[in-house]
Amino acid sequence: GNSVTQMEGPVTLSEEAFLTINCTYTATGYPSLFWYVQYPGEGLQLLLKATKADDKGSNKGFEATYRKETTSFHLEKGSVQVSDSAVYFCALRSNDYKLSFGAGTTVTVRA
Amino acid sequence: DTGVSQNPRHKITKRGQNVTFRCDPISEHNRLYWYRQTLGQGPEFLTYFQNEAQLEKSRLLSDRFSAERPKGSFSTLEIQRTEQGDSAMYLCASSPDNSPLHFGNGTRLTVT
Repeated sequence: GNSVTQMEGPVTLSEEAFLTINCTYTATGYPSLFWYVQYPGEGLQLLLKATKADDKGSNKGFEATYRKETTSFHLEKGSVQVSDSAVYFCALRSNDYKLSFGAGTTVTVRA
Repeated sequence: DTGVSQNPRHKITKRGQNVTFRCDPISEHNRLYWYRQTLGQGPEFLTYFQNEAQLEKSRLLSDRFSAERPKGSFSTLEIQRTEQGDSAMYLCASSPDNSPLHFGNGTRLTVT
């Protein structure tokens, strides 16, 4: 079946530091890959997505590249801000309609 | 686009009671999903509607759980004879066809 494994947190960083959150997946077929973000007190929001191998999704300074050979979709940001403090979820959708989520990684950015 | 709306935001109930949650999807989104999220975990799929038809139910959805989407608009999720293990955040999401899901803020259920 489909599954997503992402880096365990929590992750604590200083402002302007580099952020990487690892995500690997197991899926049948050719899944679409997503990163969702949940800010404190808010619902899940789509951060970025990639629908095929070698696609790069990007938004708000975050990037992730769909790597079929390593079944990975690592999230990166070059310079984090306090406002990036949130829980980040990697997710995949295979040939059906369901999203399968990772466990989430809590990121705290200190000023 | 007013977003996906869920009510109530919080529900505290005693074990054995029935509870019902409501989800209003983004208008014209024909797909509606229910997920459950427990502390420290990602959301887990519960069930899915395309218009008014419930097309799949997860094995996580025991006989005590029932979901409906009359007329293909809002949806309700009912839990009968609640148990402490039902305590979780219940998330609703909607999408038009195969597009990414839009999530509501969830209903947090606490069973005492």
